Amino acid sequence: DSGVTQTPKHLITATGQRVTLRCSPRSGDLSVYWYQQSLDQGLQFLIQYYNGEERAKGNILERFSAQQFPDLHSELNLSSLELGDSALYFCASSPGRDNEKLFFGSGTQLSVL
Amino acid sequence: DQQVKQNSPSLSVQEGRISILNCDYTNSMFDYFLWYKKYPAEGPTFLISISSIKDKNEDGRFTVFLNKSAKHLSLHIVPSQPGDSAVYFCAASASNGGSQGNLIFGKGTKLSVKP
Repeated sequence: DSGVTQTPKHLITATGQRVTLRCSPRSGDLSVYWYQQSLDQGLQFLIQYYNGEERAKGNILERFSAQQFPDLHSELNLSSLELGDSALYFCASSPGRDNEKLFFGSGTQLSVL
Repeated sequence: DQQVKQNSPSLSVQEGRISILNCDYTNSMFDYFLWYKKYPAEGPTFLISISSIKDKNEDGRFTVFLNKSAKHLSLHIVPSQPGDSAVYFCAASASNGGSQGNLIFGKGTKLSVKP
């Protein structure tokens, strides 16, 4: 158990809908990262928050947004969903803000039908 | 544009033998490299890392080798055990911050260790 909690584990929705994925980092970790893993891709970095502020942005679509709350949990919002958004979404956390080893949650499997 | 490449999607090895997983990178700014292991229905877990100031790092049965001139790293598992069967991801980062400061992952290599 990494100490990172992601909910829900599975999510099935329809195209055009909006969903929210939730992540609670390990106790004491200030950074939260979101990654997307599609069938034929590796883990694609989406975005990082550090202590409530956006720290780095990767290949995140404009239809996607995220935030980190004062209690350090994070939410990833995906809107106007398309079939191609079906993927495994991982949250990870780390104590600091740069280049450290990450602790991953078990992921949320999103299926867009 | 894939900056971290794992060209072998799968590898099968006999129990007790050596497993060698390879990873190539293109960005010369990368200076920190990690290997993660992933079992089905679980998130990746950290296995071993190496900084660009070293060319070898060892932790029990796991050794990572870094060849900076070739932009190549490899993970050696000796001896391989059935419990090592998993997907192994290579990851790299650069210390100059920004989006490059975060881990860039390869697509993974699925290792199967046969009893």
